[in-house]
Amino acid sequence: TQLLEQSPQFLSIQEGENLTVYCNSSSVFSSLQWYRQEPGEGPVLLVTVVTGGEVKKLKRLTFQFGDARKDSSLHITAAQPGDTGLYLCAGYTADRGSTLGRLYFGRGTQLTVWP
Amino acid sequence: KAGVTQTPRYLIKTRGQQVTLSCSPISGHRSVSWYQQTPGQGLQFLFEYFSETQRNKGNFPGRFSGRQFSNSRSEMNVSTLELGDSALYLCASRSQPDNEQFFGPGTRLTVL
Repeated sequence: TQLLEQSPQFLSIQEGENLTVYCNSSSVFSSLQWYRQEPGEGPVLLVTVVTGGEVKKLKRLTFQFGDARKDSSLHITAAQPGDTGLYLCAGYTADRGSTLGRLYFGRGTQLTVWP
Repeated sequence: KAGVTQTPRYLIKTRGQQVTLSCSPISGHRSVSWYQQTPGQGLQFLFEYFSETQRNKGNFPGRFSGRQFSNSRSEMNVSTLELGDSALYLCASRSQPDNEQFFGPGTRLTVL
């Protein structure tokens, strides 16, 4: 069972379209991170959101953390072929019995943007 | 500041062999995590080390083990390789106290 559910799993759109990717959980997270991964490479951290209701913008990407800190969304405006990749969300929470806590990852959304 | 580095980038082994992968975290990061990524299962957490001690562990068999050295560098070992161990193995180091995790480029392991 995944602690974080991402939807949709696959998204194929034309250049210039807008899209939203969702990351949902029944658990509360201290923070949530979004990554983008290209084939054969490691995920690259895009943003970290910490406060419930927080919105962060990175050029055409808008990230929002839910008020209850259980969910997040990533909105891309006017998608470009360079946005193609696997988008992963990861929530940080302290495990019982662990002094360090850990990150839990969703399965990812594979985005393809066609020219 | 240099990023997370992993060696080797590519590895081909046969069933029954063992393999050791290496990871050097970002300077100053004391936490190192290992993940296995496959198309079918996505990103699966293996274990995390902090100050040379394993602090978190995922649901993998005992064939998967790791260690961390005093300089925070980490190694992961897989013994008695199986075909299903073919995957991209990713290492990540975590900054404190913001818990942001940074990944290396990965080691692509192919088991024949």
